Amino acid sequence: DTGVSQDPRHKITKRGQNVTFRCDPISEHNRLYWYRQTLGQGPEFLTYFQNEAQLEKSRLLSDRFSAERPKGSFSTLEIQRTEQGDSAMYLCASSLSLAVNSYEQYFGPGTRLTVT
Amino acid sequence: DQQVKQNSPSLSVQEGRISILNCDYTNSMFDYFLWYKKYPAEGPTFLISISSIKDKNEDGRFTVFLNKSAKHLSLHIVPSQPGDSAVYFCAASLNYGGSQGNLIFGKGTKLSVKP
Repeated sequence: DTGVSQDPRHKITKRGQNVTFRCDPISEHNRLYWYRQTLGQGPEFLTYFQNEAQLEKSRLLSDRFSAERPKGSFSTLEIQRTEQGDSAMYLCASSLSLAVNSYEQYFGPGTRLTVT
Repeated sequence: DQQVKQNSPSLSVQEGRISILNCDYTNSMFDYFLWYKKYPAEGPTFLISISSIKDKNEDGRFTVFLNKSAKHLSLHIVPSQPGDSAVYFCAASLNYGGSQGNLIFGKGTKLSVKP
């Protein structure tokens, strides 16, 4: 299966700890997006990469959040000093900018974060 | 302020009948609209899309209608099947100003198709 993969699928951490999530996009896709979804809400955009360049960040992405895509392939999302309000599903999506249907984003299964 | 709204949190339909899911938006600069389907503990799965310059797109049992003057779109599923039971998200894509295609989602509508 060559879809978007995310690791880990579940993470439980104590308040104040740092966590890091990984996303591997569809191999030929050059665009990569991070979203966050909380209960009863739709996914909310966090940040976006085209190749290795981080081109857009939402105001939801506080200073405690940092994302990287060092070689334009996989990406990591780190949350420092986690808070209970960070508990959510973190979703990664990818797309191909040169495709006719470049607006179609394909999502991974998500990482469920629980901060206790 | 929500730019994409799905005002019905849930919908129940009998198997074989039509399911109609609705979505309203406020930003006239959206250029594409997409529908995603989501099962519990999985990521959203792309279903169907429509460009803002069209008013209808059909793919098998799924048809999306766009009414730009009303800023309204709908997803029709005919005939509905029990396997269609899931949460459906409406999303809009914005390629304008500083935005480069990030999706703005509604809150979703939970569809239940009863056998």
